[in-house]
Amino acid sequence: QKEVEQNSGPLSVPEGAIASLNCTYSDRVSQSFFWYRQYSGKSPELIMSIYSNGDKEDGRFTAQLNKASQYVSLLIRDSQPSDSATYLCAVNHYGGATNKLIFGTGTLLAVQP
Amino acid sequence: DARVTQTPRHKVTEMGQEVTMRCQPILGHNTVFWYRQTMMQGLELLAYFRNRAPLDDSGMPKDRFSAEMPDATLATLKIQPSEPRDSAVYFCASGFSRDFNNEQFFGPGTRLTVL
Repeated sequence: QKEVEQNSGPLSVPEGAIASLNCTYSDRVSQSFFWYRQYSGKSPELIMSIYSNGDKEDGRFTAQLNKASQYVSLLIRDSQPSDSATYLCAVNHYGGATNKLIFGTGTLLAVQP
Repeated sequence: DARVTQTPRHKVTEMGQEVTMRCQPILGHNTVFWYRQTMMQGLELLAYFRNRAPLDDSGMPKDRFSAEMPDATLATLKIQPSEPRDSAVYFCASGFSRDFNNEQFFGPGTRLTVL
């Protein structure tokens, strides 16, 4: 089992719809979670971080965390063609001297005009 | 505006040659990470430093890869000798790591092609 799992997609949604991206993780003691957006040929860009159970909203983006289910998701409201990218979920592995991110393989989102 | 810089952006070399990639982290950040990204493996952590001290290089092939941080403004990743399987995009990221907060900001990457 991979430490961080994402559906590779592509996830295709029409413009204006809600895109829902999901991620599960295996390390029960993980405390912080991040979503990165990566356009083709570019570097990952941090778009959301979440540390507590529940929802965190930032503009059109909402991150949702459920530690009991080991599940984190990203909702993108009013999806735009410019949101088309690969979305990487990252989970922090923290312990002792170790403090590093474990990345999923990403979900490719395609927003259709 | 503050950002991580990496040089070179592109590198084409022949098998057996030495490759050195450089990274300037964001001023004030205390952690620096080196990642490699390929289509097959995704984003893999190679090594990272906190306050310039190497903390974990378990993801790095030790026989040919080395990572150093000679000062707070420069991190290097060296491959010697390079092999075709090293062809990938290498990213440097920096952050200010404190407790569970591990937000990392990525540089533009070095696209390496080993022929």
